[in-house]
Amino acid sequence: AQSVTQLGSHVSVSEGALVLLRCNYSSSVPPYLFWYVQYPNQGLQLLLKYTTGATLVKGINGFEAEFKKSETSFHLTKPSAHMSDAAEYFCAVNPVSGGYNKLIFGAGTRLAVHP
Amino acid sequence: NAGVTQTPKFRVLKTGQSMTLLCAQDMNHEYMYWYRQDPGMGLRLIHYSVGEGTTAKGEVPDGYNVSRLKKQNFLLGLESAAPSQTSVYFCASSRGASGTPDTQYFGPGTRLTVL
Repeated sequence: AQSVTQLGSHVSVSEGALVLLRCNYSSSVPPYLFWYVQYPNQGLQLLLKYTTGATLVKGINGFEAEFKKSETSFHLTKPSAHMSDAAEYFCAVNPVSGGYNKLIFGAGTRLAVHP
Repeated sequence: NAGVTQTPKFRVLKTGQSMTLLCAQDMNHEYMYWYRQDPGMGLRLIHYSVGEGTTAKGEVPDGYNVSRLKKQNFLLGLESAAPSQTSVYFCASSRGASGTPDTQYFGPGTRLTVL
């Protein structure tokens, strides 16, 4: 069965520092890949997704992620953290053979941004 | 557009009580989903629907039932609530199968406590 591993349940960075949130998936066939963000007391919203084509994907709010098939990874980065980036981030995969947009979520990484 | 709405926002139940959570979407989406979110476990799919009148089991369906009598509504029922069902419940919707995964749009969530 497919699984998603997010390394680090909590990540803390200073404002202006690089943000790196790690995501690895287990699959012999590369799935479709997503990052969602959840702000406090809100639902999830899509940051970015990879389906096919260019492996570097740009999303909203200055985030981007790179699909690396050889490493089965889809890490999320942002060059300079802002206080408003404090939230929980979820990596998710959709098996190519899912058929109904099934999403399998990682456990999430809570990002704290300090002044 | 309101997007995806959920009622109620909060609810406290006693063990054995029943309740229904309502999800509504105004985007004319075919697919709808119910997830539960528990600390350290990400989101897990309870049930989903690929169209009006259809429902199917997800990853953790036990103790829940669903109905999709109208395209815009997806109801989640708990017939006899248990403390293990204390969680935050999210509804989501997406356009439907289109060859590549559609974005899922999430509601704001319902926080349920079972005493």
